[in-house]
Amino acid sequence: GAGVSQSPSNKVTEKGKDVELRCDPISGHTALYWYRQRLGQGLEFLIYFQGNSAPDKSGLPSDRFSAERTGESVSTLTIQRTQQEDSAVYLCASTRGGSYNEQFFGPGTRLTVL
Amino acid sequence: DQQVKQNSPSLSVQEGRISILNCDYTNSMFDYFLWYKKYPAEGPTFLISISSIKDKNEDGRFTVFLNKSAKHLSLHIVPSQPGDSAVYFCAAGPNDYKLSFGAGTTVTVRA
Repeated sequence: GAGVSQSPSNKVTEKGKDVELRCDPISGHTALYWYRQRLGQGLEFLIYFQGNSAPDKSGLPSDRFSAERTGESVSTLTIQRTQQEDSAVYLCASTRGGSYNEQFFGPGTRLTVL
Repeated sequence: DQQVKQNSPSLSVQEGRISILNCDYTNSMFDYFLWYKKYPAEGPTFLISISSIKDKNEDGRFTVFLNKSAKHLSLHIVPSQPGDSAVYFCAAGPNDYKLSFGAGTTVTVRA
C-alpha cells in the first residue's frame, strides 16, 4: 500500500473487554512502532519491532498490553480487560530501519472505553 | 515525566509572517530531533529533522534551530501559508526509534 494503514479507525468498547488494534506498515519497512496519544498530551512510545522481534517493550504501560508482528508485516496491539484510562488514539508508524529514518505514521485508531 | 515540552499550546499568525514554534527537552542524551505536522484525522507526517552535530537545518520555508546547551529547539516557518494550519509536534530521542513527543502546538494561519 501507499502508506501505513490502521484498523479500525474508531473502537468503542466496554470496560473489561479485550480489544485488538491492527497496523499494516508500508511494504518493505522493517521497523514498526506503536504510540499512544491521550487527550491533550504528546505521543507516548509503547513498543518497537525490528522485523518480527520487539527489542524494546519498555513503553507498554502494563501486562494487559501486548503486541506481536508476523511476516515482518502486520502488527496487532492487544489490550486485555480494558480500563477507562486506556482511552486514547493509538498510532502506528514504520520506517525502513537503520538510523535516522523518519517514521511514517498511520491515521490512528481512536479507542474509547466506556 | 515529560521529557519534551511544547509550552505554547497554540499560535495564531498572519499569512505571510513568520511562525516560530518552540520546544524544550530535558534529556542530555537526546541526539536526534524532529518536527512533525498533523492534520485532523490523519497521522503525523515528518517535516524536518536535525541531528546534534548541527545547529541549523533548512528545507524550503522550514528551518529548525538547535541549541544543545539550552536543550532547546525551534521551528521557523516563513512565510506562513494557510495550508500550514495544523498541529506541530516536536520529537526527540537518543536514536530514531525511541522518540519522546511534545504535546503539540496548534498553528492557525489567518488570511
